[in-house]
Amino acid sequence: DAKTTQPTSMDCAEGRAANLPCNHSTISGNEYVYWYRQIHSQGPQYIIHGLKNNETNEMASLIITEDRKSSTLILPHATLRDTAVYYCIVRVRAYNQGGKLIFGQGTELSVKP
Amino acid sequence: GAGVSQSPSNKVTEKGKDVELRCDPISGHTALYWYRQSLGQGLEFLIYFQGNSAPDKSGLPSDRFSAERTGGSVSTLTIQRTQQEDSAVYLCASSLGGVGRYSYNSPLHFGNGTRLTVT
Repeated sequence: DAKTTQPTSMDCAEGRAANLPCNHSTISGNEYVYWYRQIHSQGPQYIIHGLKNNETNEMASLIITEDRKSSTLILPHATLRDTAVYYCIVRVRAYNQGGKLIFGQGTELSVKP
Repeated sequence: GAGVSQSPSNKVTEKGKDVELRCDPISGHTALYWYRQSLGQGLEFLIYFQGNSAPDKSGLPSDRFSAERTGGSVSTLTIQRTQQEDSAVYLCASSLGGVGRYSYNSPLHFGNGTRLTVT
């Protein structure tokens, strides 16, 4: 399984962009990168995913390097409600493994006033 | 529309008792997943159902754990002879699923879990 490496924690000032990095140097060419976040006492919330191209939705932008070995999740204007653990996941893609998500430890993002 | 629904939201049971946890996936989602999260720990994959295919049970920690999915919709996770180490939040997720490339391009959507406490 392609593993991911994320910083354990990060701080961000409210109103600023939060840039969360992720390394996935062993990713295969057809594996997707997914981002989720988990706010205390809630289930993980889907944010965004991508394969090769950069992606943007109402929550965030995902920048994937050309060699696909790393990516960055961008929250353009962080608010206090964005404080959460953010998970970068390379989705397992194997015939008998059904596309399950394997979560690592994630990055604990603290947005400060 | 309605998200993934889990019940009960909280369950306290005595060591040695059996428990059943229920998951109602999003309508139309063919794939269903169970995870658990122990206090202060990450999410641990337990089991995965996709349509009528044999489930992927590779994450079940022991034979005390089992799950079924009736009619391709509702799923029940059963823990027999509960132990204190089974205390955790049990999370269910669903996705559009399918086969091939499409399945990997369909996000999982999670419920808020069942908090199980074994005393």
